[in-house]
Amino acid sequence: QQPVQSPQAVILREGEDAVINCSSSKALYSVHWYRQKHGEAPVFLMILLKGGEQKGHEKISASFNEKKQQSSLYLTASQLSYSGTYFCGTAEKAAGNKLTFGGGTRVLVKP
Amino acid sequence: NAGVMQNPRHLVRRRGQEARLRCSPMKGHSHVYWYRQLPEEGLKFMVYLQKENIIDESGMPKERFSAEFPKEGPSILRIQQVVRGDSAAYFCASSPYPLDTNTEAFFGQGTRLTVV
Repeated sequence: QQPVQSPQAVILREGEDAVINCSSSKALYSVHWYRQKHGEAPVFLMILLKGGEQKGHEKISASFNEKKQQSSLYLTASQLSYSGTYFCGTAEKAAGNKLTFGGGTRVLVKP
Repeated sequence: NAGVMQNPRHLVRRRGQEARLRCSPMKGHSHVYWYRQLPEEGLKFMVYLQKENIIDESGMPKERFSAEFPKEGPSILRIQQVVRGDSAAYFCASSPYPLDTNTEAFFGQGTRLTVV
């Protein structure tokens, strides 16, 4: 089942922060975060395996609450290059080795 | 090490023709995944293959679609008798290990199929 992402879209000024949430109704093994720019391939940002784990990539970090089956992506001091659509991909414990992606969150960072 | 290579990048087919999409995974990767993306939408899982075997095809339409990953050569996604609703971007991803390990999936640039 597809994870639910919120918000669907967010507009930021350069330097502002944002949080993107990803929620699943299934028990998860891992959560993967990707960013896709228009007309391009999704680019891997980070993977979170353990409950409570937090990881970072530049000023982008994420957390994973395994018990709540939720993950959040934090964009800190956003840069223009952060614009794009962010997808969370979940690997469900009962669903084998594939990623099921959420509907995406469109992020636009303005100068 | 070249990334995941997909070809063609753009493919135009008339209704009723066949479309063949190719994906060469990264060197050393034996796990391949195909996804479909409609404009302004998310990535929908289609099929997961591991060298010569289809592991999970739960996202594949029952008719007209097939996939293979032979021992030698690229993975092929084949769509027979295409219809306008097949128009989409098709992405291939690969990984060296199954995704229930600490492993990321690398995506190709996609093939944009247009059915006219």
